[in-house]
Amino acid sequence: GAGVSQSPRYKVAKRGQDVALRCDPISGHVSLFWYQQALGQGPEFLTYFQNEAQLDKSGLPSDRFFAERPEGSVSTLKIQRTQQEDSAVYLCASSLGRDPLSEQFFGPGTRLTVL
Amino acid sequence: AQSVAQPEDQVNVAEGNPLTVKCTYSVSGNPYLFWYVQYPNRGLQFLLKYITGDNLVKGSYGFEAEFNKSQTSFHLKKPSALVSDSALYFCAVRDMGSPGNNRKLIWGLGTSLAVNP
Repeated sequence: GAGVSQSPRYKVAKRGQDVALRCDPISGHVSLFWYQQALGQGPEFLTYFQNEAQLDKSGLPSDRFFAERPEGSVSTLKIQRTQQEDSAVYLCASSLGRDPLSEQFFGPGTRLTVL
Repeated sequence: AQSVAQPEDQVNVAEGNPLTVKCTYSVSGNPYLFWYVQYPNRGLQFLLKYITGDNLVKGSYGFEAEFNKSQTSFHLKKPSALVSDSALYFCAVRDMGSPGNNRKLIWGLGTSLAVNP
């Protein structure tokens, strides 16, 4: 079956540009997570949705970062006025239920490079 | 604060030999521990988790992990390594400090495993 997909896979932006990263979770998955993974680092939590509700956004590094999941399926992570330090791989993951201990299924990530 | 440490950046092992990838953790309550693997150009994949019960947890692709409460460790093991096991391995712990049901994972920095033929 289809896994988690993310688009675009690669994005190059000039400093100051706005970008939008898309995540298509596995159909029917309630929980959706966004992570930021810098080169040589582990994933860092950004935000968490349960259906359309954004229940935890404590990991968003600044108010330039915004995420939404308006219909409880597809999610978009938007970064405004990109900075060089935003360069990273952005990972999306989904899990079936609300159980915080259940397995997360990850997409391939979007590699963002800010010049 | 919750934290996870993977003390080795890289582990090299010959094919057919046993492998161990180390992970230690620090949590205030009960630890919920996970191992994920990241193959080149692919997403992270779940290997196994420890929630409670038997200290030896078996997972995908022949991997297992041993939970040791006294040493606060959760090392990943495999009796006989394959070249195809070469990948980046991440240990993670559930942050029981997050509010409500929104418990996020705290991740280690990863260990690169190279299995040589």
